[in-house]
Amino acid sequence: GENVEQHPSTLSVQEGDSAVIKCTYSDSASNYFPWYKQELGKGPQLIIDIRSNVGEKKDQRIAVTLNKTAKHFSLHITETQPEDSAVYFCAASMEGGATNKLIFGTGTLLAVQP
Amino acid sequence: ETGVTQTPRHLVMGMTNKKSLKCEQHLGHNAMYWYKQSAKKPLELMFVYSLEERVENNSVPSRFSPECPNSSHLFLHLHTLQPEDSALYLCASSREVDRSEAFFGQGTRLTVV
Repeated sequence: GENVEQHPSTLSVQEGDSAVIKCTYSDSASNYFPWYKQELGKGPQLIIDIRSNVGEKKDQRIAVTLNKTAKHFSLHITETQPEDSAVYFCAASMEGGATNKLIFGTGTLLAVQP
Repeated sequence: ETGVTQTPRHLVMGMTNKKSLKCEQHLGHNAMYWYKQSAKKPLELMFVYSLEERVENNSVPSRFSPECPNSSHLFLHLHTLQPEDSALYLCASSREVDRSEAFFGQGTRLTVV
């Protein structure tokens, strides 16, 4: 089955710097890769996703890149702000299969220091 | 507000109690899910429902019993739980069962004493 590894487990950056979180997956059939942000006391919130037919996607300060050959994908946050502090999860799944089965990474705790 | 509402937000129960978690989605989605989130572990998928029919049960112990009376509501009935079942239980929904864009509720923090 699919296995997703996420690094680093914790990341501390200064406000205004960039943050990068990396994930690798094992199943080459996976074709959908979302990123979730979870703030304290809240459920995970979808912030950006990418499908395997593209290599990069951007939404303001957030971007995701996908390397299908190497089976890894990354989240890039530029000009970080204190409100970006949260736990970020990557996930992988195969859309169009019998069921939607998101396999999650173990999460990255991002701390943005003012 | 994601359109997925879970109640209660917090629950403390004894090992001999019976309780239920409730989830309601206002998004018109056809698929609903229960996930378990424990400290330092990835989110674990427990159950998947598509149009009120259970389509996946990920080897979850029978002390967890899901119920989906309609496509907007999902319950998780709990009985004779163990302390290791203490976790954040998250409900999610997606437009269809084969579409992966999942929207999560805020979760129920469950403590078993």
